Amino acid sequence: QVQLVQSGAEVKKPGASVKVSCKASGYTFTSYGISWVRQAPGQGLEWMGWISAYNGNTNYAQKLQGRVTMTTDTSTSTAYMELRSLRSDDTAVYYCARDALIGGYSYTDYWGQGTLVTVSS
Amino acid sequence: EIVMTQSPATLSVSPGERATLSCRASQSVSSNLAWYQQKPGQAPRLLIYGASTRATGIPARFSGSGSGTEFTLTISSLQSEDFAVYYCQQYNNWPSLTFGGGTKVEIK
Repeated sequence: QVQLVQSGAEVKKPGASVKVSCKASGYTFTSYGISWVRQAPGQGLEWMGWISAYNGNTNYAQKLQGRVTMTTDTSTSTAYMELRSLRSDDTAVYYCARDALIGGYSYTDYWGQGTLVTVSS
Repeated sequence: EIVMTQSPATLSVSPGERATLSCRASQSVSSNLAWYQQKPGQAPRLLIYGASTRATGIPARFSGSGSGTEFTLTISSLQSEDFAVYYCQQYNNWPSLTFGGGTKVEIK
C-alpha cells in the first residue's frame, strides 16, 4: 500500500533552516510528483511547491521563491523540503502529498502524516 | 494565480440532514477540481476528483458537481464521522495547486 512517512517535529529559531523528509513506499517513486503543502495553526491549506520525482523539476509558490528548495533522493525514495530564513509565521504543519496521476494535471491522493515545525525564539 | 473561494465558512447541520458546500474559482478550472475532508490532527483525505468522481472507498452519500467556476459538494445525509473541514482544490493550473479557505461542517 502507498505510504508517505514524514520526519518528526522540529523547533527552530527565527533565521534558521529546516529540512523535512518524506519517505515513500508502496509504489514506483519516480513515476509520480510530490507536492508540499503547509497549514498554519487553525488555518487552511497552502500549496508550497511541487517536484518531479522523475527528473527533479520543481515549481515553487511565488511567495516562497528564494527560501524553499525541494529535492528528491531516488535511491531511498525520499523527498525533501528545505525552508530557510525561518520566521514565526512559518510555524505550521508541513505535508507532502503525491500526485494521483502520472504525467501531470493531477490532484493529490496520498498524504504524509504531517510534520509540525515551530519557529520560536 | 487562481483564487478559490468557499462558502459558507461554517455550516451547522443536524445528523441525517443534507449539507451543501460551495466552491468558486476566480477563472475557469474546467473540471479539474478536487474535494478533501480534514479532521482535527489528521492529514486531508481525498473525497472527489474531476469535480464529480468519488475517490476509492468514499461513500455514495458524498457527491460533487459543477464545472468552470462553480462547484458543489453535497453530503446527502450527514453521519457523525462527516463533521470535519472540507477543502476544494483546483489543479487546472498544475503543478501550481490552489486550495479554498475551507468549510467547517459542525453539529447543529
